Amino acid sequence: SYELTQPPSVSVSPGQTARITCSGDALPKKYASWYQQKPGRAPVLVIYKDSQRPSGIPERFSGSSSGTTVTLTISGVQAEDEADYSCQSADSSGSYQVFGGGTKLTVL
Amino acid sequence: EVQLVESGGGLIQPGGSLRLSCAGSGFTVSSYYMNWVRQAPGKGLEWVSVIYSGGSKYYADSVKGRFTISRDSSKNTVYLQLNSLRVEDTAVYYCARGDTVATTPFDYWGQGTLVTVSS
Repeated sequence: SYELTQPPSVSVSPGQTARITCSGDALPKKYASWYQQKPGRAPVLVIYKDSQRPSGIPERFSGSSSGTTVTLTISGVQAEDEADYSCQSADSSGSYQVFGGGTKLTVL
Repeated sequence: EVQLVESGGGLIQPGGSLRLSCAGSGFTVSSYYMNWVRQAPGKGLEWVSVIYSGGSKYYADSVKGRFTISRDSSKNTVYLQLNSLRVEDTAVYYCARGDTVATTPFDYWGQGTLVTVSS
């Protein structure tokens, strides 16, 4: 079955830039989305179609794609950005969705 | 305002059945690709199923043949019937709205409903 691979954890100091990667064989042909989830809360969409930001999401959140890897970048990280971040995309058929294992972002 | 409200979770024995509901408001459920996503305790997100606006349905391999997604346009509600439940089905089940022409992105989520499968 198709898999998306993320690092389990990323740590940054406030004001620094955090980069979270997600790798998958179908990513060159399928869009990815990113979701932020805080403890006890439902996920929130922060990036879609690799690099599009929904309304209401701060500009410090951005996304990019290169080959089989997509990257979520958070510039000028704030304490409130500490959360789990999961990438999501479809398999090559487009009919089945997959989430990455999630990355815990810790703000030191 | 778009809202999704799940209900129907609870404690159920292995082998049992449960029906989850997801009531939508502020939009028309049948015009969107509607999804169920679950999260086991302490684990990541797992996509479970989708029902297209046109009616096609797809399931994750882990639930295929046991779970059934459906909708009632008159009630603006999506359902997930869970049969032959296993301990590993224990999770918070979220309803998530997709696009009008594609499964993703999941732009709105419900608050989730907890399903616990245990003897």
